Amino acid sequence: KNQVEQSPQSLIILEGKNCTLQCNYTVSPFSNLRWYKQDTGRGPVSLTIMTFSENTKSNGRYTATLDADTKQSSLHITASQLSDSASYICVVSPDSNYQLIWGAGTKLIIKP
Amino acid sequence: DTGVSQNPRHKITKRGQNVTFRCDPISEHNRLYWYRQTLGQGPEFLTYFQNEAQLEKSRLLSDRFSAERPKGSFSTLEIQRTEQGDSAMYLCASSSADSQLNTGELFFGEGSRLTVL
Repeated sequence: KNQVEQSPQSLIILEGKNCTLQCNYTVSPFSNLRWYKQDTGRGPVSLTIMTFSENTKSNGRYTATLDADTKQSSLHITASQLSDSASYICVVSPDSNYQLIWGAGTKLIIKP
Repeated sequence: DTGVSQNPRHKITKRGQNVTFRCDPISEHNRLYWYRQTLGQGPEFLTYFQNEAQLEKSRLLSDRFSAERPKGSFSTLEIQRTEQGDSAMYLCASSSADSQLNTGELFFGEGSRLTVL
């Protein structure tokens, strides 16, 4: 069964600290993996998209990694800011653009 | 504003009533998607259109749900005879089809939150 699991479910860190969010997937075939940021009550916003051949991609203070062999991805946030408080969702695309397998997300809270 | 626009942002209705949500995608995008999201969960795919053609609708939750995109531009999602379990955020997204690379980025609207009393 195609699944995407994220950990931790929630995380609280102090402003300025770094953190890493994990994503494990059992999706086959594999086309690409995406990370989205979703503020409470808002639509998701794309952070990165990685294909099979890419193992790292950065977007500002966000760096995503992908290990297609172990089917794991991580999202590293550097020097966290209060505005980083949001849910971060890992999404895997098997073989067609509409059939995205969504994780449940990690809820990140940044405290001053 | 050239982003995805959804209306209304909030809708409160009584059980048994019909509701309709509208989505205006980014103008040059030919693909449009509808998702449902409940608290603490990732978005759940409902249906999608390429231009005016509805290419996947088997995931619509029941026959009370229907979607249209009559001219390949804006889309509507209608829920008939609403039930309390329909309370959720309904998200619309659009993208450009890229059948070769299949890496089309989804751009989401702000969502329409439905509360059924």
